[in-house]
Amino acid sequence: AQSVAQPEDQVNVAEGNPLTVKCTYSVSGNPYLFWYVQYPNRGLQFLLKYITGDNLVKGSYGFEAEFNKSQTSFHLKKPSALVSDSALYFCAVRARNSGNTPLVFGKGTRLSVIA
Amino acid sequence: EPEVTQTPSHQVTQMGQEVILRCVPISNHLYFYWYRQILGQKVEFLVSFYNNEISEKSEIFDDQFSVERPDGSNFTLKIRSTKLEDSAMYFCASRRQGDSPEQYFGPGTRLTVT
Repeated sequence: AQSVAQPEDQVNVAEGNPLTVKCTYSVSGNPYLFWYVQYPNRGLQFLLKYITGDNLVKGSYGFEAEFNKSQTSFHLKKPSALVSDSALYFCAVRARNSGNTPLVFGKGTRLSVIA
Repeated sequence: EPEVTQTPSHQVTQMGQEVILRCVPISNHLYFYWYRQILGQKVEFLVSFYNNEISEKSEIFDDQFSVERPDGSNFTLKIRSTKLEDSAMYFCASRRQGDSPEQYFGPGTRLTVT
């Protein structure tokens, strides 16, 4: 069975400082990994994905994430946080197989960037 | 940029009533999904749909739930007899065929069962 753990319910960071939102996963075989962001009263917005290749993937709004196979982690990072980055962030995993396999989400981490 | 749209944005219904939640996936997408998020909890998979049939469904998706693609653009989720515990945000998502595994989500429908 697939699962995702986001160990932090809340991450607080000062504007301009680097941010990290942690994610670890469990899946059979090689995974597809994703980060989504949810702003208040909005849907889930796709940020970035890892499929294969370079372990550091870049996404929207200056976010990036590092795939670490040995630690089964896919932490989200940004070098310099903005107040507008404050939102709920979800990590998701999908098994790399054919068919219409759904995403499995973590419980989410609320990021608060303080001016 | 194309988006997944959902209507209504908020639906209030009484327990035991039927509701239909509507979604218009991105036009060239072929895989469709419904998820739900109970307030304060994680996003949970309900059902996936491809080629006019259900591909997978979760334990949540019992006989009270059904999905349909009535025409070339809409994708609907029906709950036949709503229960209080069906109150949640329901998200529709779609995905292109091929090597793009990411799903694109709509803004959601907040369902409140009283």
